[in-house]
Amino acid sequence: QGRLVQSGSEVKKPGASVKVSCMGGGYIFAGYYIHWVRQAPGQGLEWMGIINPGSGRTKYAEKFQGRVTLTTDTSTKTVSMELTNLRSDDTAVYYCTREPTTTWGQGTLVTVSS
Amino acid sequence: SYELTQPSSVSVSPGQTARITCSGDVVAKKYVRWFQQKAGQAPMLVIHKDKERPSGIPERFSGSSAGTTATLTISGAQVDDEADYYCFSVADNNLDDGVFGGGTKLTVL
Repeated sequence: QGRLVQSGSEVKKPGASVKVSCMGGGYIFAGYYIHWVRQAPGQGLEWMGIINPGSGRTKYAEKFQGRVTLTTDTSTKTVSMELTNLRSDDTAVYYCTREPTTTWGQGTLVTVSS
Repeated sequence: SYELTQPSSVSVSPGQTARITCSGDVVAKKYVRWFQQKAGQAPMLVIHKDKERPSGIPERFSGSSAGTTATLTISGAQVDDEADYYCFSVADNNLDDGVFGGGTKLTVL
C-alpha cells in the first residue's frame, strides 16, 4: 500500500504563498498519480489537482488555475503543492492521496490569518 | 465543470439499510468512488469503480450506479458507520478533472 507523509502545519498572512510537501514511501513513486484535496473547517472535500509524479504533468481544478502549482522530485520521492495569493478562505487541511485514493497523507493544516 | 449532488443528511436505526445517493451528469460518464470520513481523520475509500469494495471494507458496504445517479448502500448499518460520506468522480490513474459531492452526514441511532 505504501505511505504518504506530509509536511507540518503552516500559518501564513493573506497574500503570501504556502508550499506543502508529500513524500511517498513503500511503493513505486513514479507509478501512481497523486491528487491534492483540501477541506476547510466544517466543510466538505474539494479536489484541487493531480500530478503524474514520473512525468510532472498536471491537471488543475478550474477554481485554482493560476494560483496552484504541483511539482515532483523523483530523487526524494516528493510531490509538492504551492498555493499563492492566500486568502482567509484558503484556511483548510490539505491532503495528498495516491491513486486509487486508498492511501492518504496525514493532512497539513494551513491557516491564513492577519 | 461537473457537479455532484448528495443529500446533506441521512438517518437510520442500527440494523437498518442506509442509502446515500450521488447525482450528476458525470456519473453517466465516469466511475464513482465513495469515501467515509470520521471526525479528525483522513477520508477512507469504501467503494471504487461504482461497486468494487477495496480490501478490508466490510461486505455491508455496496455501490451501484444507474444513469446519472450512484448509490452507496450500507446494509445493516452499525453505530460505527456514523460518519460523513462523499462521492467522487475521476478517471482512474489519469490526468482528469476530479469532483466531489458535497457530502452526507450519516447518523445511526
